[in-house]
Amino acid sequence: KAGVTQTPRYLIKTRGQQVTLSCSPISGHRSVSWYQQTPGQGLQFLFEYFSETQRNKGNFPGRFSGRQFSNSRSEMNVSTLELGDSALYLCASRSNRNTEAFFGQGTRLTVV
Amino acid sequence: GQQVMQIPQYQHVQEGEDFTTYCNSSTTLSNIQWYKQRPGGHPVFLIQLVKSGEVKKQKRLTFQFGEAKKNSSLHITATQTTDVGTYFCAGPPRGGGADGLTFGKGTHLIIQP
Repeated sequence: KAGVTQTPRYLIKTRGQQVTLSCSPISGHRSVSWYQQTPGQGLQFLFEYFSETQRNKGNFPGRFSGRQFSNSRSEMNVSTLELGDSALYLCASRSNRNTEAFFGQGTRLTVV
Repeated sequence: GQQVMQIPQYQHVQEGEDFTTYCNSSTTLSNIQWYKQRPGGHPVFLIQLVKSGEVKKQKRLTFQFGEAKKNSSLHITATQTTDVGTYFCAGPPRGGGADGLTFGKGTHLIIQP
């Protein structure tokens, strides 16, 4: 079974631009979560989707948004990029609540 | 809201020594999960603990869940170079939502041969 796939793996953007990251979960998994990982803050929860509905949201500004499609693939968007948005963005899929999360390789975003 | 605190942040050990990381929550957790992230990699699930006082073992790794379900620990016996990485504990999300995980900041295990 294929794992969680995130694209692109690396991205360089300029301040003020916007970016869209993509995540394809494990086949059959309907839950997709997004996390931001930085050296100083560790892994921080962004949001979680299940069957195209956002079920939970972390403490991030409205510039961070996401969505999930009917095939469970998910995208997250960050608008008006700031230098502090430079991070590794990880996507995780789960088959159900309270089960193990399978992480993708992540997208390394650098904002210059 | 719930916070998950993890200590120590860094741990240097000689190969063959034991290692322990501790996770503490300000609220009772319904369950706790542990993940390992190798340098340059992504978090990989190790185990989930659900019951009060639960102890689970995976070869040289021993995981414990406290009686009050507010703390947990991961102990590695006789560390090997393959144990290098960052170990995270994770609990249910803050704010009462049912999905997503609240991660501790992790313990970076550095092993000197």
